[in-house]
Amino acid sequence: AQSVTQLGSHVSVSEGALVLLRCNYSSSVPPYLFWYVQYPNQGLQLLLKYTTGATLVKGINGFEAEFKKSETSFHLTKPSAHMSDAAEYFCAVIIGGSNYKLTFGKGTLLTVNP
Amino acid sequence: GAGVSQSPSNKVTEKGKDVELRCDPISGHTALYWYRQSLGQGLEFLIYFQGNSAPDKSGLPSDRFSAERTGGSVSTLTIQRTQQEDSAVYLCASSLEGTGPYNEQFFGPGTRLTVL
Repeated sequence: AQSVTQLGSHVSVSEGALVLLRCNYSSSVPPYLFWYVQYPNQGLQLLLKYTTGATLVKGINGFEAEFKKSETSFHLTKPSAHMSDAAEYFCAVIIGGSNYKLTFGKGTLLTVNP
Repeated sequence: GAGVSQSPSNKVTEKGKDVELRCDPISGHTALYWYRQSLGQGLEFLIYFQGNSAPDKSGLPSDRFSAERTGGSVSTLTIQRTQQEDSAVYLCASSLEGTGPYNEQFFGPGTRLTVL
């Protein structure tokens, strides 16, 4: 069963435009939610995470995400795209009792046009 | 080094050969994880180590895959009799402790395995 769905395998924005990367999860219990970024030929870097508490989470590089339980979503946003934001972004969840096993979405490649 | 390191960065092998992939976690991290990133399957969990023990091997795709960790540090992922479907990027991650989402997993750059 697919636990994490990222809508859009490729998103293209202009420099300075809003970035919106979508992530929906399927879980009967509130999961822990993460966004990772992967630059070419590099490992994954954690952008931000939601565990408990405030549903609007701020991360590095000006990114933020909001956990919406009613919509089972955790979309990633940034008000103004920069050329350096071009990378692949992965939404991930930890569901259930494992407390460590990350389940990833398929990823969204972000292109930033000058 | 400050981060997770993996070697080799690239490995090309022939079908049927055995390969070993190495991971050096961040010093002091007790938990270590292997993931696989492939075009068809995306990012998949393979195995989790806590210290030298592997309480969760549920993601290993077949008995051709094995992993060990020694001294609570370096880990080796071994693939025997490689097949073309094993071609992927193998990522290693480590975290300070194994349980709880508060323990951030830090990822290495990966080993790109190509099976001809």
